[in-house]
Amino acid sequence: GAGVSQSPSNKVTEKGKDVELRCDPISGHTALYWYRQSLGQGLEFLIYFQGNSAPDKSGLPSDRFSAERTGGSVSTLTIQRTQQEDSAVYLCASSRSNSGNTIYFGEGSWLTVV
Amino acid sequence: GENVEQHPSTLSVQEGDSAVIKCTYSDSASNYFPWYKQELGKGPQLIIDIRSNVGEKKDQRIAVTLNKTAKHFSLHITETQPEDSAVYFCAASIQGAQKLVFGQGTRLTINP
Repeated sequence: GAGVSQSPSNKVTEKGKDVELRCDPISGHTALYWYRQSLGQGLEFLIYFQGNSAPDKSGLPSDRFSAERTGGSVSTLTIQRTQQEDSAVYLCASSRSNSGNTIYFGEGSWLTVV
Repeated sequence: GENVEQHPSTLSVQEGDSAVIKCTYSDSASNYFPWYKQELGKGPQLIIDIRSNVGEKKDQRIAVTLNKTAKHFSLHITETQPEDSAVYFCAASIQGAQKLVFGQGTRLTINP
């Protein structure tokens, strides 16, 4: 596709359940990012993948959060044992490399934990 | 680490007037400063960016200025239109590190 694709666009889950959010970056983009945006707030960095390098996980808020990027393309963000404070929009972004190229965002996955 | 402060948090201007949003950053090594526009229910979209080797960049009604000495940069929108209403985010990063640090956002409302 032409842009960063995320699914699902909306997810409602019960507290304590696990959720998986998927991101398909722009073709040819080697860098992939996950950000979290709580209602009315700014964007909080979660994790960054660049090629085959070890990911920068410095923004993950707890060990309930993890992410994978298989084959250097699609990424999955997993939240285990969801809590109500996990409710937010999870935004994925990609760029060509880590050399200051433009970062493009997807439309986000809106997660509501009830 | 880098910290980006953005002001104001809300801004309301009359259609046709100019709007200015300001950001400051803390890490003098930062050298890439993009601005994103986010409409309701959508992801942020890049509208303009500036790198530290220039002081100003303009694209039609949008301009960004950078003062590296003072560590601040600003977004200027002239001849505002209703479709400019959105939340605007500034960000900063160190080239090579690529992790963008965002400001808290400015909700811009253009009054017809």
